[in-house]
Amino acid sequence: DGGITQSPKYLFRKEGQNVTLSCEQNLNHDAMYWYRQDPGQGLRLIYYSQIVNDFQKGDIAEGYSVSREKKESFPLTVTSAQKNPTAFYLCASRTMGAGGPYEQYFGPGTRLTVT
Amino acid sequence: GNSVTQMEGPVTLSEEAFLTINCTYTATGYPSLFWYVQYPGEGLQLLLKATKADDKGSNKGFEATYRKETTSFHLEKGSVQVSDSAVYFCALSLPLQKTSYDKVIFGPGTSLSVIP
Repeated sequence: DGGITQSPKYLFRKEGQNVTLSCEQNLNHDAMYWYRQDPGQGLRLIYYSQIVNDFQKGDIAEGYSVSREKKESFPLTVTSAQKNPTAFYLCASRTMGAGGPYEQYFGPGTRLTVT
Repeated sequence: GNSVTQMEGPVTLSEEAFLTINCTYTATGYPSLFWYVQYPGEGLQLLLKATKADDKGSNKGFEATYRKETTSFHLEKGSVQVSDSAVYFCALSLPLQKTSYDKVIFGPGTSLSVIP
């Protein structure tokens, strides 16, 4: 089955440690996205990528980094510079090209807790 | 700027009641509009969409009509079930100039609880 995989589902880290969240898709989608979701709030865009080896900052990129070495993979690193990293992180992807807009497909999310 | 406003929740309804979740938007240009649903502990799933004025999106008994004159995209369902309990997000999509990336703006979400 095609879809988006995020792992792990729950992640616990100590303050001051970097942590990398995995996102893999087998939908052959060009574009991939990382969102952050806080309780009672909508989704806020962290980073997005439209092609391999290229990515752009979203609205809240400070304290985060990404890479896009393969079309299928878009890992997110939450660095120690992120002041309030505890949140639910969602990865999404979509196809691109004429005939859009195309909806985004979301992974199941990773809940990160930093203490 | 571009934004999406949704009615505040939580909304609690009895099974078989009629559901309306209001959504209004502010956007420059001609956005596409979406409703996504998020079940507890999961990611978002597309529920329905509409790409131009007067389009009606529908899926699983849910409907929403793109109203340009009132800049609204209200979600409705005639008879809700316990399994409809979830958080519902209204969203708009606008193509950015000089790029094929379309920026998606989400509303804050409306939590729905349906009780038997």
